[in-house]
Amino acid sequence: TQLLEQSPQFLSIQEGENLTVYCNSSSVFSSLQWYRQEPGEGPVLLVTVVTGGEVKKLKRLTFQFGDARKDSSLHITAAQPGDTGLYLCAGARAYKYIFGTGTRLKVLA
Amino acid sequence: DVKVTQSSRYLVKRTGEKVFLECVQDMDHENMFWYRQDPGLGLRLIYFSYDVKMKEKGDIPEGYSVSREKKERFSLILESASTNQTSMYLCASSLFDSGGLAGGFGGNEQFFGPGTRLTVL
Repeated sequence: TQLLEQSPQFLSIQEGENLTVYCNSSSVFSSLQWYRQEPGEGPVLLVTVVTGGEVKKLKRLTFQFGDARKDSSLHITAAQPGDTGLYLCAGARAYKYIFGTGTRLKVLA
Repeated sequence: DVKVTQSSRYLVKRTGEKVFLECVQDMDHENMFWYRQDPGLGLRLIYFSYDVKMKEKGDIPEGYSVSREKKERFSLILESASTNQTSMYLCASSLFDSGGLAGGFGGNEQFFGPGTRLTVL
């Protein structure tokens, strides 16, 4: 059972555009993480959000945790080719992490 | 520079073979995880270990076993490889979260290895 759904699955945009990736669940998580994975490498942590309603910014990336701690969003402002990669959300629940289905982003120069 | 290493980047095996995938971390982390990654399915947890000789089943343990004899090493074993086990296998480690087993698992950062792409013919 896939507990975390990400949308969109694929996104191809021009450099300079803005985009939002969504991570949705019907389950509550104690925290939520966002990772980025580049080809041939393992995922690397971008951010962890813990409190419902929390917003965190990492340069041009803005992460938000839903008030009910069931969903999250990642917004990228003025996307650059270096943002290209697979974005994964992961919810912490019980003693393990549940990963989302992933969003593959391609930013064209 | 913290590191999680996996024994092979690419592996090709035949149906029925016994396959060992090894993972080593140098961060003295208590937790170690094995995932498989398939397109459109994200990462799915196979097994996890929070201490030496301890193991817990993840979401898809069937057809796999694990071994953790030393803190830094976590091995994934495919007893009899099948074609549906063709996949990317990722190992990760993290610090122990004391709330984990009793609830309140906050989730520490996981550090991932580069992955092993296994093909079973």
